[in-house]
Amino acid sequence: DQQVKQNSPSLSVQEGRISILNCDYTNSMFDYFLWYKKYPAEGPTFLISISSIKDKNEDGRFTVFLNKSAKHLSLHIVPSQPGDSAVYFCAASLDYGGSQGNLIFGKGTKLSVKP
Amino acid sequence: NAGVTQTPKFRILKIGQSMTLQCTQDMNHNYMYWYRQDPGMGLKLIYYSVGAGITDKGEVPNGYNVSRSTTEDFPLRLELAAPSQTSVYFCASRDPDARSYTFGSGTRLTVV
Repeated sequence: DQQVKQNSPSLSVQEGRISILNCDYTNSMFDYFLWYKKYPAEGPTFLISISSIKDKNEDGRFTVFLNKSAKHLSLHIVPSQPGDSAVYFCAASLDYGGSQGNLIFGKGTKLSVKP
Repeated sequence: NAGVTQTPKFRILKIGQSMTLQCTQDMNHNYMYWYRQDPGMGLKLIYYSVGAGITDKGEVPNGYNVSRSTTEDFPLRLELAAPSQTSVYFCASRDPDARSYTFGSGTRLTVV
């Protein structure tokens, strides 16, 4: 049973346009959400995160939005660049309990930004 | 600053063989993790450790063992390799006060 879902395996966007990657979760107790970016043959690298007490966090071209009532978050990349082409993983975690801080990952969305 | 280092990068094993995937970090992080990534399946937690001498199972621990004798090292042991263990393995670490992980570059393992 997936607790973190990325329902779009792939997304293709034109350079300069907006990329929107979506993520849904089922556990309302998650209190922290992260996005990781992964290039082929490399490990995932941290991109941006958001605490459950916020609904938006921005870092340059990257913005993450959190809708707790819908258990949904999204990553916006504006403007998209060819170097953004990668697999993007959504992850969530709890700050309590035996699995404190352990990240639960979605399956990833492969973003292709075309010149 | 090397971060998280994994060795080897690639390995082919025959069914029934054993091997140890090495992971070391130089950031003095207490928490360390092993994940596996299967195609189209995201990353699944195998084992984790919150400090030297303390380890615990994750979501998919069967067929694996770990040890944590030092803060720096967190090796993953495969006993009796099976084709189902063909995957890319990632080690990660984090500081207890942080919520994000630092990942290694991965070990691609094929069991034939």
